[in-house]
Amino acid sequence: LAKTTQPISMDSYEGQEVNITCSHNNIATNDYITWYQQFPSQGPRFIIQGYKTKVTNEVASLFIPADRKSSTLSLPRVSLSDTAVYYCLVGEAGGSYIPTFGRGTSLIVHP
Amino acid sequence: DTGVSQNPRHKITKRGQNVTFRCDPISEHNRLYWYRQTLGQGPEFLTYFQNEAQLEKSRLLSDRFSAERPKGSFSTLEIQRTEQGDSAMYLCASSFFTGTGGETQYFGPGTRLLVL
Repeated sequence: LAKTTQPISMDSYEGQEVNITCSHNNIATNDYITWYQQFPSQGPRFIIQGYKTKVTNEVASLFIPADRKSSTLSLPRVSLSDTAVYYCLVGEAGGSYIPTFGRGTSLIVHP
Repeated sequence: DTGVSQNPRHKITKRGQNVTFRCDPISEHNRLYWYRQTLGQGPEFLTYFQNEAQLEKSRLLSDRFSAERPKGSFSTLEIQRTEQGDSAMYLCASSFFTGTGGETQYFGPGTRLLVL
């Protein structure tokens, strides 16, 4: 299982870009990297997924270096509504799969 | 709404009672997951099904916990002889997994259990 490490918390201000890095040193060849967002009293919500290089969608970008031992979720121009906990999940759904969420990163966006 | 639904949303029970939670996944999804989440922690994997087969159940917390997905559609999670330590949010998620590549899980709103 690929163990992940993220900062416990981060603070930012409205309009800034936020980058949250996840370390996964023992990532396996077939593992994908997926990021989820969770608001209080709600289930997590998918943000973005990637395998290598860069992936971008309408809400975020995901940067994965060549060695894949880390990944960075980039949120452009955050707003107050981006205040949430962000989790990175690393694994291969086709194998003996035990999705392992860490404690996540609590992002607080200030006015 | 065609998202994942969970019932009940809240459950209060007394220690020693049995409780059962239901999860209805997105209709075309073949995988269904159960997680437990306590305050300040990420979701903790319990078990998952692919269609009606329970592929991983080693992380069920004790033999008091069991899950079923009898027809490959909805699923139930039962906790027998509840203990105060079982108080938590129980989350269900579903996905459509093709056999290769990544997977996106869609989570329900959760069932919050309080054991008195």
